[in-house]
Amino acid sequence: RKEVEQDPGPFNVPEGATVAFNCTYSNSASQSFFWYRQDCRKEPKLLMSVYSSGNEDGRFTAQLNRASQYISLLIRDSKLSDSATYLCVVTTSNTGNQFYFGTGTSLTVIP
Amino acid sequence: DTGVSQNPRHKITKRGQNVTFRCDPISEHNRLYWYRQTLGQGPEFLTYFQNEAQLEKSRLLSDRFSAERPKGSFSTLEIQRTEQGDSAMYLCASSFTGQTEAFFGQGTRLTVV
Repeated sequence: RKEVEQDPGPFNVPEGATVAFNCTYSNSASQSFFWYRQDCRKEPKLLMSVYSSGNEDGRFTAQLNRASQYISLLIRDSKLSDSATYLCVVTTSNTGNQFYFGTGTSLTVIP
Repeated sequence: DTGVSQNPRHKITKRGQNVTFRCDPISEHNRLYWYRQTLGQGPEFLTYFQNEAQLEKSRLLSDRFSAERPKGSFSTLEIQRTEQGDSAMYLCASSFTGQTEAFFGQGTRLTVV
């Protein structure tokens, strides 16, 4: 079983729409959680960390449900510039500090 | 630019040849990671250094792959006797103990023909 599972999409949404991505992780000992964004042929870049209490950064809201072992990312008022692949990332304490990546969810925002 | 730097950005090689990639992490970062990414997949962990010590290696890292970080600064990843299946983007990332975010370089895209 993969450490992190994501729906690869693709998600094609119109500008202004709200879109949500989910991700599940298999190791209950996982410590830290992130969403990274990766543009085509570019390196992944941190979008936001995910905290147990949930956190918001402008149009982006991330939530963590430890009991169900899933992480979500909500994007409100989608912009064309949000088109990218969104990677769910988990670090797991009992295997050192390597970062486990999901396969990524592809988002295209359509004019 | 004080980010993670990787060289070369692109490498085309013939099957059976050896290749070496270099990663220069952010200067104060003591942790360095190598990942491999193929089309449509997320990055897959290869190996991880803390300072000069290689602390973890993935099962993906066959005997043909070797990584070093001799002085705890830059790192090299060598692939011997390359195969077409080695074609991928090789990403390097660095972080600092106690800091959970990893910063990625732009990657080295390897094509084995």
